[in-house]
Amino acid sequence: DTEVTQTPKHLVMGMTNKKSLKCEQHMGHRAMYWYKQKAKKPPELMFVYSYEKLSINESVPSRFSPECPNSSLLNLHLHALQPEDSALYLCASSQLVREKLFFGSGTQLSVL
Amino acid sequence: GIQVEQSPPDLILQEGANSTLRCNFSDSVNNLQWFHQNPWGQLINLFYIPSGTKQNGRLSATTVATERYSLLYISSSQTTDSGVYFCAVVRDAGGTSYGKLTFGQGTILTVHP
Repeated sequence: DTEVTQTPKHLVMGMTNKKSLKCEQHMGHRAMYWYKQKAKKPPELMFVYSYEKLSINESVPSRFSPECPNSSLLNLHLHALQPEDSALYLCASSQLVREKLFFGSGTQLSVL
Repeated sequence: GIQVEQSPPDLILQEGANSTLRCNFSDSVNNLQWFHQNPWGQLINLFYIPSGTKQNGRLSATTVATERYSLLYISSSQTTDSGVYFCAVVRDAGGTSYGKLTFGQGTILTVHP
């Protein structure tokens, strides 16, 4: 199994909603990541987890809250988002940090 | 931070043509990866190549770390090769870099039948 699975694929939410994005991998990878990608731009790193501990937070606003319940799962909790947060949210994993990165297919988020 | 420049920004080919994409970076790296993002948004890792040459079917890549560039070769292009090709690097900070990949702006490839 060489997949990173993300759910949902699409999400529309209002600015007062609370929602969560989910990511799962069964490759035994110990590093997991959240990236944000705007249209026609490269992915931008948001968070890095290494051995289930948060190792990088790229100054992401607190309305985005990551969680790593175990080595296979990564969540991104969303609360009080702004329309400018609309983007493709990508989860990725690697065996260890700095190694080959595998991406999920992303969640296309629209904030109304 | 490290700068990553990709060229050309756009490339249009006829099916069957060959092409070379370039990635220049401004500092020493210990990690360089090439990705293809298809029109549906899926990012596929093509190569993990901090140095040397690798081949995978019609694709090959070469990284010359001492001269701070990498090349991605696509031979006999097909319409399914269309999409955006990203180069991404991790700056070599003496073991203290925590896996922050810096992406280039990408090369948009369109292959016409």
